[in-house]
Amino acid sequence: EVLLVESGGGLVQPGGSLRLSCAASGFNFRNSWMTWVRQTPGKGLEWVANMNPDGSGKYYLDSVKGRFTISRDNARNSVSLQMNSLRAEDTAVYYCARDGVSGARDHWGQGTLVTVSS
Amino acid sequence: QSALTQPPSASGSPGQSVAISCIGTSSDLGASNLVSWYQQHPGKAPKLMIYEVTKRPSGVPDRFSGSKSGNTASLTVSGLQPEDEADYYCCSHGGSDNYIFGGGTKLTVL
Repeated sequence: EVLLVESGGGLVQPGGSLRLSCAASGFNFRNSWMTWVRQTPGKGLEWVANMNPDGSGKYYLDSVKGRFTISRDNARNSVSLQMNSLRAEDTAVYYCARDGVSGARDHWGQGTLVTVSS
Repeated sequence: QSALTQPPSASGSPGQSVAISCIGTSSDLGASNLVSWYQQHPGKAPKLMIYEVTKRPSGVPDRFSGSKSGNTASLTVSGLQPEDEADYYCCSHGGSDNYIFGGGTKLTVL
C-alpha cells in the first residue's frame, strides 16, 4: 500500500521559516517524481513544486521561487519542502503527492497545515 | 499563469449525467495531453479520477470519463450516485515545467 505522511506544519510569523517533510512507503520512491500541492482553507488546489527522481530537476510555482526549496533523500524515502520568507498568502494545507503516469498525482498524503500569522 | 477556469458549481439528480468544463489557453491546456481530474470529499485528500485527458486509474468507475477539445477539457459523470457529491478539480501541464489547477467545481447530487 502506498503511504505518504507529511509532517512539520504549524504556526509561523510572517518572514519566518518552516520545513515540511513527507515520508513515503509502499512504492519505488527512487524512481518517482514527487510533488507538493497546497490548498488555501476553503479554496482550491495550487501546484507548488516538484522534483525528478534523482533530484537534478526542481520546478517551482513562480510565487515561491527563491523562497521555497524542494529536496529529497532517496535513501530515507523522503521529500522535503524548505519554506523561507513566509507570507500570509502561503497559509494553506500542504499535500505531498507522488507523480504517477504522465505527471498525474496518483497518491496523496493527508496534508499538513501551515499558518502564517503574527 | 492563471488558474484554469471551472464553473463553481454543478448539479444533477441520481442516475443523470453531468459534465464539468475546464477552460485553459493555447499555451497550457490546449497544448497538453497531460490533463487530469481530481475528486475531493470534505476534509479528505484529493483522489485522481482521470489522467492523460481520458484514462481512468484502476478502481475508478467507468461512469467517470474525460475529453478535450481545443482549450477546453471536460469531465463527465454518468449515472450520478450520492457518493459522487464532492469537489472536482482539473489540472494541466502549464507548458513551463509547471502545472496549473482549475478553481474547482462543487458537484451536488440533488
